[in-house]
Amino acid sequence: EPEVTQTPSHQVTQMGQEVILRCVPISNHLYFYWYRQILGQKVEFLVSFYNNEISEKSEIFDDQFSVERPDGSNFTLKIRSTKLEDSAMYFCASSEPGQGASYEQYFGPGTRLTVT
Amino acid sequence: LAKTTQPISMDSYEGQEVNITCSHNNIATNDYITWYQQFPSQGPRFIIQGYKTKVTNEVASLFIPADRKSSTLSLPRVSLSDTAVYYCLVGGNQGGKLIFGQGTELSVKP
Repeated sequence: EPEVTQTPSHQVTQMGQEVILRCVPISNHLYFYWYRQILGQKVEFLVSFYNNEISEKSEIFDDQFSVERPDGSNFTLKIRSTKLEDSAMYFCASSEPGQGASYEQYFGPGTRLTVT
Repeated sequence: LAKTTQPISMDSYEGQEVNITCSHNNIATNDYITWYQQFPSQGPRFIIQGYKTKVTNEVASLFIPADRKSSTLSLPRVSLSDTAVYYCLVGGNQGGKLIFGQGTELSVKP
């Protein structure tokens, strides 16, 4: 069964450093997403991406965040200058266009980001 | 997006059927009802989706009454591995964001 993969599984960085989280969505999917989950809290939407551009973003996704699909397979989330409160599990997800409305998104295993 | 309300936690024993009910009084005509499961330190996993009446797959059943203001996820004969958080989501936009609530933390005991 095809799956979404994410690397690294765990990233430790110092405050102020830039990090890039990488995702390989399922190959025939066209919609891509990033979510985050702070420890003990609910999953929060960050951004959705379709047709090589951001289709929607949350208020969390401020200027320090950016997303890119640099080639036909990778989807990345960059955090320019990390803050302590960016420590969280970051999930990538993808979905395919369907015949009708669908909320079936496939999530990766996540990258645990720890900012010290 | 319609707001959802579901119990914070539930306990069950192995082999029992578990029913988790979600209220969504403000559901819109084009909204679908979707349930996700999340194990600790893993990404959410799609379980089932429905619009009305009953939907069944190999994992669960979803019961939706005629007024669609609530839905019930039914897990038959749960096992310890079904211990997880279960989220009810309501919406209808293809390619749209998922808005997760706190979910229902199901604990299955031996």
